[in-house]
Amino acid sequence: AQSVTQPDIHITVSEGASLELRCNYSYGATPYLFWYVQSPGQGLQLLLKYFSGDTLVQGIKGFEAEFKRSQSSFNLRKPSVHWSDAAEYFCAVGGGTNFGNEKLTFGTGTRLTIIP
Amino acid sequence: DVKVTQSSRYLVKRTGEKVFLECVQDMDHENMFWYRQDPGLGLRLIYFSYDVKMKEKGDIPEGYSVSREKKERFSLILESASTNQTSMYLCASTGIRDLLSGNTIYFGEGSWLTVV
Repeated sequence: AQSVTQPDIHITVSEGASLELRCNYSYGATPYLFWYVQSPGQGLQLLLKYFSGDTLVQGIKGFEAEFKRSQSSFNLRKPSVHWSDAAEYFCAVGGGTNFGNEKLTFGTGTRLTIIP
Repeated sequence: DVKVTQSSRYLVKRTGEKVFLECVQDMDHENMFWYRQDPGLGLRLIYFSYDVKMKEKGDIPEGYSVSREKKERFSLILESASTNQTSMYLCASTGIRDLLSGNTIYFGEGSWLTVV
């Protein structure tokens, strides 16, 4: 069974500082990995995804993530955070090998607080 | 743009009531999903469907059922609502094998259900 672990429930970062959000996954085959962001009262927005190829993927809003198969990790990074980055972030693993069983499994989320 | 519409944003229901949450997508997607989102637990998959009249249990199906009579519509049913079903419910859809070909899953804005 596929699963995702986000070990940090809540992270506080100063505006302008760098950010890394951790994500570890468990999946039997090559995983398809995603990061989503949810601002208060809003729906989920896709930040970036990894399917194959280059293990460093770039996303929207200046985010990037690196897939490390040996560590089963897909950590999200941003070199300099902005106050508007305060939100909840979800890592997800998905895929399926057979017709019709594609689905996404989400982590429990990391809430990001930005302080001035 | 893909649109996933959840008919009710906010509902308040009494314990024991039968509750219907409706979801419609306009992209002819084969796969549709119902998740519930709770603080500290992330998004958990309740049921998903990969075709009309087809359904699969997700990770937390107890107390729920679903209906998919038309391709564009996927309904979540709480046969007898209980207070522990108070939550945010998210509907999502994706095309056949989309997750295996680099595309993402599309979410509705969510339905906040309170059971009193």
